[in-house]
Amino acid sequence: GQNIDQPTEMTATEGAIVQINCTYQTSGFNGLFWYQQHAGEAPTFLSYNVLGGLEEKGRFSSFLSRSKGYSYLLLKELQMKDSASYLCAVRIYNNNDMRFGAGTRLTVKP
Amino acid sequence: DAGVIQSPRHEVTEMGQEVTLRCKPISGHDYLFWYRQTMMRGLELLIYFNNNVPIDDSGMPEDRFSAKMPNASFSTLKIQPSEPRDSAVYFCASSLLAGTTDTQYFGPGTRLTVL
Repeated sequence: GQNIDQPTEMTATEGAIVQINCTYQTSGFNGLFWYQQHAGEAPTFLSYNVLGGLEEKGRFSSFLSRSKGYSYLLLKELQMKDSASYLCAVRIYNNNDMRFGAGTRLTVKP
Repeated sequence: DAGVIQSPRHEVTEMGQEVTLRCKPISGHDYLFWYRQTMMRGLELLIYFNNNVPIDDSGMPEDRFSAKMPNASFSTLKIQPSEPRDSAVYFCASSLLAGTTDTQYFGPGTRLTVL
C-alpha cells in the first residue's frame, strides 16, 4: 500500500526557520511534491523533487532522500502569510497518479 | 489562462438528491483529476483521466459516484443518490502530459453539503 506521514500541526515564530518532515512508503515512486494550501483555498504547487538532494526556491527549499523515503520542506524568514497547511504528495509509477499526505498545519506567530 | 474552472463553488442539497459537479481543465492539459478533501481523510484521489479516458477509478467510493469526460475541455462528477457523508470539498485538477517536472493545477473547489 501507499503510506505518507507528516506531522499534523506545527507552530513557529515570524522570522524564524521551520522544517516540515514527510516520510513515505510507496511502490513505484516517481517524484515528491510539496503543496501549500491556505484555509478555504485550493492547493498550490511549491516544489518537485525526483532525483534527490536539495531544491531551493527563494525562501522555500525541499530535500529528498529516495533511499530513506524521506523529504522535508524548509521555510526560511517566516512570514505571517506562511500560515497554511503544507501537503506532501508522491507521484506513483510513470504517470500522474498522486497520493497526498494528510498535511501539516503551520501556524506562524508574531 | 483562466486556470481550472469549477462550478458550482458551493452546493447544498438534501440526502437522496442527485449532485453534478463540473470542471473545465486548463487548455492543452491531457490529464484531469477529481479529488475529495475532508478533515478526517485529507485529500483523496477519486479518479483521473488521460486524453478523456478514465485511467484509474479505484478511489471512487462506491457506485453512487460516477465521472465522465466527454471532451478535452469538460468533465463531470456525479453523485446519485447523495448522502450526508459525501459532504466535502471536491477539487478538480489538470496537468500536462506526464513529465519529469510536471505538476497539477487545482481548481478552486466545490464545497458540497448534503443535509
